Amino acid sequence: GAVVSQHPSWVICKSGTSVKIECRSLDFQATTMFWYRQFPKQSLMLMATSNEGSKATYEQGVEKDKFLINHASLTLSTLTVTSAHPEDSSFYICSATTRLFLAFFGQGTRLTVV
Amino acid sequence: QQQVKQSPQSLIVQKGGISIINCAYENTAFDYFPWYQQFPGKGPALLIAIRPDVSEKKEGRFTISFNKSAKQFSLHIMDSQPGDSATYFCAASRAAGNKLTFGGGTRVLVKP
Repeated sequence: GAVVSQHPSWVICKSGTSVKIECRSLDFQATTMFWYRQFPKQSLMLMATSNEGSKATYEQGVEKDKFLINHASLTLSTLTVTSAHPEDSSFYICSATTRLFLAFFGQGTRLTVV
Repeated sequence: QQQVKQSPQSLIVQKGGISIINCAYENTAFDYFPWYQQFPGKGPALLIAIRPDVSEKKEGRFTISFNKSAKQFSLHIMDSQPGDSATYFCAASRAAGNKLTFGGGTRVLVKP
């Protein structure tokens, strides 16, 4: 299957700071990437859809000014959690869609805000 | 509104047994139904997927059964192995490549 790499795998940050998470498709070009959030023992909740070269589409209830998404190239999308607070602590996962419309997921990023 | 309902929440099966996970959806516009396997601390991995024009699809020990009229689909894991112990998610989207709506997940434990 196609490889999607997320970085970092885990990060601890202080409350009020910003954190950037990268999502890269390593062996294919992805016109569309998705960002999900997952709380412990829960399902994945879609946060936003990211298309290369255009503004991300956010799901209802997701603050676009808090979760900044940039999709600068066909292989890279970034999620920046701005002014992070403890309630933002979660597992963030990206996925990228291949030209055959299969979605492959990154390994996830565990964010802990202290 | 939970558009994809998954059951059971957890499942214990003996090695060599069959694990069965069921999902039901509400949105008739969904036409792509993948299943994902997730290990703790990892991202989901695509297992198998099906479209409504097929009633069953098999890949190795994994089989999807699809009932369009009932708006239900299920995953069968044959000859379950301890390495299959993971959380399984069903999902649905309007088309392959579109945003996925996930079920609540099923934690499967395969006992040796």
